[in-house]
Amino acid sequence: QVRLQESGPGLVKPSETLSLTCTVSGDSVSTFYWQWIRQPPGKGLEWIGYIYNSGSTNYNASLKSRVTISVDTSKDQFSLKLSSVTAADTAVYYCARGRGFEFWGQGTLVTVSS
Amino acid sequence: DIVMTQTPLSLSVTPGQPASISCKSSQSLLYSDGKTYLNWYLQKPGQPPQLLIYEVSNRFSGVPDRFSGSGSGTDFTLKISRAEAEDVGVYYCMQSKQLPPYTFGPGTQVDIK
Repeated sequence: QVRLQESGPGLVKPSETLSLTCTVSGDSVSTFYWQWIRQPPGKGLEWIGYIYNSGSTNYNASLKSRVTISVDTSKDQFSLKLSSVTAADTAVYYCARGRGFEFWGQGTLVTVSS
Repeated sequence: DIVMTQTPLSLSVTPGQPASISCKSSQSLLYSDGKTYLNWYLQKPGQPPQLLIYEVSNRFSGVPDRFSGSGSGTDFTLKISRAEAEDVGVYYCMQSKQLPPYTFGPGTQVDIK
């Protein structure tokens, strides 16, 4: 069974870069689509972007200028970087597998605050 | 972007009774490959969303058969034939026909009476 686990700082200062990693077990990041989704506290789901084929990416236009998703196949990890964060970027960040988000990590809360 | 709407936004269900959630998209979700890219997810309290239904009517692995999906084009429905206490949570529909971006409905909060 595939498992995904997000990791990274829980607190980021405004204007800095949010960096998260998703570690995959039971599968290879060289296959499938690997996704990032976020959920502000008490709100709905927002798709951030995906990476597939070990390097091809697609991002939400609303975040595209600030987002980078990359993959490390040697560690079966993929990562999210979101630059110039503001309080509006405070959310639970989820990683997920597949075009249909078949499997999800538990999520990690990132708070943007000074 | 394709806009997804859901009704109702909240629903209280008696155990053992049926429940139904509607999802509408601003454009048809029928793709040129003949498939319709509409999924349903359930987010139980304190948990990540979990996939229930993909491509309108296909139950994901391990999903109880009391959950069913139907619809076409722009109108879709998720039905719970006999609600159980464990079905509490927020239900989201999502389209993946036109990317980017994937877009989700606002969610329907389901409580059990």
